[in-house]
Amino acid sequence: KAGVTQTPRYLIKTRGQQVTLSCSPISGHRSVSWYQQTPGQGLQFLFEYFSETQRNKGNFPGRFSGRQFSNSRSEMNVSTLELGDSALYLCASSPGGSGYSYEQYFGPGTRLTVT
Amino acid sequence: DAKTTQPNSMESNEEEPVHLPCNHSTISGTDYIHWYRQLPSQGPEYVIHGLTSNVNNRMASLAIAEDRKSSTLILHRATLRDAAVYYCIAGGGATNKLIFGTGTLLAVQP
Repeated sequence: KAGVTQTPRYLIKTRGQQVTLSCSPISGHRSVSWYQQTPGQGLQFLFEYFSETQRNKGNFPGRFSGRQFSNSRSEMNVSTLELGDSALYLCASSPGGSGYSYEQYFGPGTRLTVT
Repeated sequence: DAKTTQPNSMESNEEEPVHLPCNHSTISGTDYIHWYRQLPSQGPEYVIHGLTSNVNNRMASLAIAEDRKSSTLILHRATLRDAAVYYCIAGGGATNKLIFGTGTLLAVQP
């Protein structure tokens, strides 16, 4: 099976712009989670989508949003970019379901640099 | 989510067993214990997870204390490819919300 893919791998944006990142989960996986990794804050949970619905949410401002499509692919959007949004954005997929905590498979990440 | 405490760093010799400890004294009854590792320049990689009983898989073993307030990840024979940051996560209940701490940087010496 192909692993989790994320596009683009690298991105440079200017303050105030918006950005959209894409994640394709492992075939058959219905849950997609997004994480932000920075040297200062480490790995932080952004949100999780399951069957096109946001199921869990972390403590990030409303500028960070996401969605999931019927084929389980997911996108996350960051509007009005700030310098502090520079980070590695990781996507993880898992089989999903409820009542159980599944293993998650991470993609290689998208490195976003805001100038 | 339960706060986890791990040593900042540990060192091991190649082909020797490694025991990575984790304390999670505030864990709730529905919280799973997860271990992930992250190699340089890569996304985190799933290692193992469990709820109450000890777990084994091809990568490692997870030993969970009877009171569930601590756990130990056991790598049976360390290799140079096991050098990574190991994250212990206890929380999120039966969900996929993982709250990562700072982890343990494992160095493996040849």
